[in-house]
Amino acid sequence: ETGVTQTPRHLVMGMTNKKSLKCEQHLGHNAMYWYKQSAKKPLELMFVYSLEERVENNSVPSRFSPECPNSSHLFLHLHTLQPEDSALYLCASSQALQGSYEQYFGPGTRLTVT
Amino acid sequence: GQQVMQIPQYQHVQEGEDFTTYCNSSTTLSNIQWYKQRPGGHPVFLIQLVKSGEVKKQKRLTFQFGEAKKNSSLHITATQTTDVGTYFCAGQGAQKLVFGQGTRLTINP
Repeated sequence: ETGVTQTPRHLVMGMTNKKSLKCEQHLGHNAMYWYKQSAKKPLELMFVYSLEERVENNSVPSRFSPECPNSSHLFLHLHTLQPEDSALYLCASSQALQGSYEQYFGPGTRLTVT
Repeated sequence: GQQVMQIPQYQHVQEGEDFTTYCNSSTTLSNIQWYKQRPGGHPVFLIQLVKSGEVKKQKRLTFQFGEAKKNSSLHITATQTTDVGTYFCAGQGAQKLVFGQGTRLTINP
């Protein structure tokens, strides 16, 4: 499945580093999502974008900063992270935000904060 | 806010046994979706239920949507090792899709 791609697949960063996660969808969808997946919270919604506009920020700390330059691309900028931020970060897209549309997930970025 | 609870959190079965996971929403849903995540993989959409009381089948998998559109179940008949993974339900409310915590299925061959 190559509808939604994410890079990098694995990332190790120190607490003082700045890095970015990239997501690209090739499905012509209008909504994109960032999820955090960890043992404590299996699928935790972070951000939602619809037509490049952020429509939801689920009380995510400011050290996570999303960016959606167009409907095909979504970024998650990371800075001064904490070890508890280590998790699998999943990007997803759907045809639209409203309505009965399934979400297509990317393979995820496995992030380790040291 | 809208909450979706899923039980059990874990289930271990012998190959060939049946498996069921249950999903309950705090609010009435417009539809419910089911996803499967294989170990090391990402969630993949399985099916969507829209109508009250709807039942859908995919080979050995049977999905049900409750009459009140607040609960759902996934039943697997005669599990196989390929069924291993975590099964998530996701309830579509008025504003957004909310995922349950998932049921992790492991199978003893």
